[in-house]
Amino acid sequence: EAGVVQSPRYKIIEKKQPVAFWCNPISGHNTLYWYRQNLGQGPELLIRYENEEAVDDSQLPKDRFSAERLKGVDSTLKIQPAELGDSAVYLCASSLGGLGRGGMNTEAFFGQGTRLTVV
Amino acid sequence: AQSVTQLGSHVSVSEGALVLLRCNYSSSVPPYLFWYVQYPNQGLQLLLKYTTGATLVKGINGFEAEFKKSETSFHLTKPSAHMSDAAEYFCAVSLGDMRFGAGTRLTVKP
Repeated sequence: EAGVVQSPRYKIIEKKQPVAFWCNPISGHNTLYWYRQNLGQGPELLIRYENEEAVDDSQLPKDRFSAERLKGVDSTLKIQPAELGDSAVYLCASSLGGLGRGGMNTEAFFGQGTRLTVV
Repeated sequence: AQSVTQLGSHVSVSEGALVLLRCNYSSSVPPYLFWYVQYPNQGLQLLLKYTTGATLVKGINGFEAEFKKSETSFHLTKPSAHMSDAAEYFCAVSLGDMRFGAGTRLTVKP
């Protein structure tokens, strides 16, 4: 069974340019997460989708970041325009349902991430 | 909102020694708790999780963790470290979404 697939693996762009990351979750997983991981730190949640609905995007910098999950399957995370401080690894994860009380007893599976370097 | 604190950003042990990575959580209700491992340039891999039931949970690669509600802790242990255990370890707490600690880098000396 294929895991969570992310592309590209690496991306180098100049500041002020746009960039997009793509994620294909595990088949049948309703919940999809985007995390940002800065060097030497833990992943920080940017947005969580339940099917095609964004149920938690409180940490997403909406002035330059946007995300979509059309048809409740694949997802795209976009940054426009990119800033130097956006350099990080962007991780996508999926799970059968929400993780915790009221959700399904399950785990989140992570992709290998996209390493973004803004120069 | 739930949160996690990992004590010690870097832990170094000798091969064959006990591994102890500390994690304390904050949550208004009993959460789900997870330990993930991350190798260089890789995504996160689940080591083990606590949801309900037995408070001592066993995971892959010989790791285990004990949920202690009274101490709000979920420390990760392994009796005997192996060189291949060198990696970054993340504790996470979930009440619907998952929040991670800052991570602990484990170094194993020969």
